[in-house]
Amino acid sequence: DQQVKQNSPSLSVQEGRISILNCDYTNSMFDYFLWYKKYPAEGPTFLISISSIKDKNEDGRFTVFLNKSAKHLSLHIVPSQPGDSAVYFCAASYMDSNYQLIWGAGTKLIIKP
Amino acid sequence: GAGVSQTPSNKVTEKGKYVELRCDPISGHTALYWYRQSLGQGPEFLIYFQGTGAADDSGLPNDRFFAVRPEGSVSTLKIQRTERGDSAVYLCASSLPAGRSSAGELFFGEGSRLTVL
Repeated sequence: DQQVKQNSPSLSVQEGRISILNCDYTNSMFDYFLWYKKYPAEGPTFLISISSIKDKNEDGRFTVFLNKSAKHLSLHIVPSQPGDSAVYFCAASYMDSNYQLIWGAGTKLIIKP
Repeated sequence: GAGVSQTPSNKVTEKGKYVELRCDPISGHTALYWYRQSLGQGPEFLIYFQGTGAADDSGLPNDRFFAVRPEGSVSTLKIQRTERGDSAVYLCASSLPAGRSSAGELFFGEGSRLTVL
């Protein structure tokens, strides 16, 4: 029973264009969502997060949008750069267990020159 | 270095053997986590330490898995009687005390890749 789903295993985007990565969740108790980025042979690194009391959080080229009614969040990267090529994981947590992240399977983003 | 350090980076063992994986967290991080990542999946929670004690070990799959953190810094994940299904990358992470201000912002090591033949 996957509580966090990333339905696109991979995504290819032209350099300079917008990359949009999607994530769906089933547990309405989740109240905090995060995106992590992972390069090969490295551990995941934190990218950006959003609390369920917000619907948008922006940090430079990265923006996360949260639609609670649809149980959907997305990560927008504008403009996409070659260094953004990596696997992106969506993760969620909830108040009573905020140290235990529930992760999606990841989306491999490929930025084409 | 200043990051989370995990050893060994790769471990190949035979079915039935005992394995220890070590994690050295970032200095000053009191919270430490072990996750396991199988091929094509996201990390799966195993155990969380706050200081020396295991605050939540509900993710450990069975009693062959055990983890310790005796002095509140370095942690060791121990797997007894390894099985082929234990093959995965074992990730360790650390953070400041798990609280709302830093919820989920974990610093991960590079992982220990375990292969059980």
